[in-house]
Amino acid sequence: KAGVTQTPRYLIKTRGQQVTLSCSPISGHRSVSWYQQTPGQGLQFLFEYFSETQRNKGNFPGRFSGRQFSNSRSEMNVSTLELGDSALYLCASSLGLGREANTEAFFGQGTRLTVV
Amino acid sequence: GDSVTQMEGPVTLSEEAFLTINCTYTATGYPSLFWYVQYPGEGLQLLLKATKADDKGSNKGFEATYRKETTSFHLEKGSVQVSDSAVYFCALSNFNKFYFGSGTKLNVKP
Repeated sequence: KAGVTQTPRYLIKTRGQQVTLSCSPISGHRSVSWYQQTPGQGLQFLFEYFSETQRNKGNFPGRFSGRQFSNSRSEMNVSTLELGDSALYLCASSLGLGREANTEAFFGQGTRLTVV
Repeated sequence: GDSVTQMEGPVTLSEEAFLTINCTYTATGYPSLFWYVQYPGEGLQLLLKATKADDKGSNKGFEATYRKETTSFHLEKGSVQVSDSAVYFCALSNFNKFYFGSGTKLNVKP
């Protein structure tokens, strides 16, 4: 079956602009999580959506937001971009069911965002 | 709270050497444990997993055993290849939240 698809793969934006990234999870997966990866900070959790609701949230400012649609596709938005937002943004999907599941997360290839 | 700690890198080895990357965790209840691998410019790929104590996950010659008594999930491979050069992440899943270690970069020299 198809894997996790993230679009676009690469993006260059100017400071102050906003950006929207898209993630299509594996069919049947209801949980989508977003991560920011930078050389200095490693992999940092942004938020997780399950059945169109934000279920978990990391420690990022309100400029970072997301949403999930009824088909489980998710978007992440960053407003008023800063140079420090340059990073690889990864999306991961999982079944996201009850506690007993704890199944693995499958990652997309990421969107490389460069803010200039 | 839950967390994962893995050994700092980079780890540099010669081809055919034995690999160990240490990983320990802190978690309540019964988490699942994972190793992910990331090649340059790519996302994370699941390498192996273990869902309960004493389970051994294995894939492509890599192994890791879920040790609840020592809260560890060390990654091992008997003979590394140049193509194993990548960043390895230890992770746990608990109550559907994922926690990742900081990653260990492995360089394998021919």
